[in-house]
Amino acid sequence: AQKITQTQPGMFVQEKEAVTLDCTYDTSDPSYGLFWYKQPSSGEMIFLIYQGSYDQQNATEGRYSLNFQKARKSANLVISASQLGDSAMYFCAMNIGGATNKLIFGTGTLLAVQP
Amino acid sequence: DGGITQSPKYLFRKEGQNVTLSCEQNLNHDAMYWYRQDPGQGLRLIYYSQIVNDFQKGDIAEGYSVSREKKESFPLTVTSAQKNPTAFYLCASRKAGTGNQPQHFGDGTRLSIL
Repeated sequence: AQKITQTQPGMFVQEKEAVTLDCTYDTSDPSYGLFWYKQPSSGEMIFLIYQGSYDQQNATEGRYSLNFQKARKSANLVISASQLGDSAMYFCAMNIGGATNKLIFGTGTLLAVQP
Repeated sequence: DGGITQSPKYLFRKEGQNVTLSCEQNLNHDAMYWYRQDPGQGLRLIYYSQIVNDFQKGDIAEGYSVSREKKESFPLTVTSAQKNPTAFYLCASRKAGTGNQPQHFGDGTRLSIL
């Protein structure tokens, strides 16, 4: 069965430090995509970064990078130089269903950045 | 600015009542999606639509209905058959193409039972 697992319900990080948010996935489909979204307390979902299963390099977008380990089926999000505005829920999601781009989501990790 | 507008932000439903949540996008996206979010459960797919006048059930479609009469609009009706409708509802849209196109989300509607 296709599934996304986020095992960290909550995390703390000091401002300016780096933090890694864990995500493991399960699928038998060789073609898939992995997304990370940020959800602030206001509720909107903000797209952060994407990694395709055939991508040779780990994705990076500014302070966000994705540590993609295909053999271990993990796609951890690394946030460098944490800022107070990074405090939010973070969701890992996987694209299933090919062109329909149906997403399945993990349960999320609540990140709190401390000054 | 282009984006997705959901209204209302807060909605209350009485027992036995149907309510409709609005979702409008001006991004010229072909695909649109409705998700439900409960505390501690992430997002679950209710319905999705790839083109006008066509839509498919997601994982938790029971008690919900949708229509897609215009490309810009994808309203969701929560019917009286949905016995536990209290949740946060998120609408999303996506540009057609390869799987790397992300879904873009609205700000959500919070529905509560009176």
